[in-house]
Amino acid sequence: DIQLTQSPSFLSASVGDRVTITCRASQGIDYYLAWYQQKPGQGPTLLISAASTLESGVPSRFSGGGYGTEFTLTITGLQPEDVASYYCHQLKGYPVTFGGGTKVEIK
Amino acid sequence: EVQLAVSGGGLAQPGGSLRLSCAASGFNFNSYYMSWVRQAPGKGLEWVANIDQDGRKEYYADSVKGRFTVSRDNAKTSVYLQMDSLRVEDTAVYYCARSSIANVWGQGALVTVSS
Repeated sequence: DIQLTQSPSFLSASVGDRVTITCRASQGIDYYLAWYQQKPGQGPTLLISAASTLESGVPSRFSGGGYGTEFTLTITGLQPEDVASYYCHQLKGYPVTFGGGTKVEIK
Repeated sequence: EVQLAVSGGGLAQPGGSLRLSCAASGFNFNSYYMSWVRQAPGKGLEWVANIDQDGRKEYYADSVKGRFTVSRDNAKTSVYLQMDSLRVEDTAVYYCARSSIANVWGQGALVTVSS
């Protein structure tokens, strides 16, 4: 099975900061990686697919990158409404798996 | 508007059964894989099962294989999760999602397994 390791598991930053979350796969998954945001008390929403494709309606301050085994989610200019947990998700092969999550807080 | 409405959650005893339903609307249901994902209280997301457009291919997490069954009825634009031999560790909010990429999520249904 392909394991996804997210880091950090918790992140505290100031409004306007640039923050980066890393997701490492235990084996190569090409670009078959998605990122989700889950705000407190809500269900998840898809932010990014195919490692770097921003979903419609997602603010441009979010960006994704990477290929193979290392991927990043970057928020350029953190906003209060970005307080949430973020999860990576690999779809290269079954069983598909999620990373453990990163909780983002405003300092 | 694209919507997924989950129903059927509740309380079950260990070893018992529950069936979740997910009613889809606002898109061509026949064209999409459907997914089930769960989240235990205070924990992260865990993929549970996928089913292809025709209902011929089913995929399961090892943690539920042999106990859970995913199915769909394209005429009713609905997907189902039959959960048997439930365990305490199956306690979670269960979400259905459109597509294997999970680009649309339902509201989630709480399943509690407890004696």
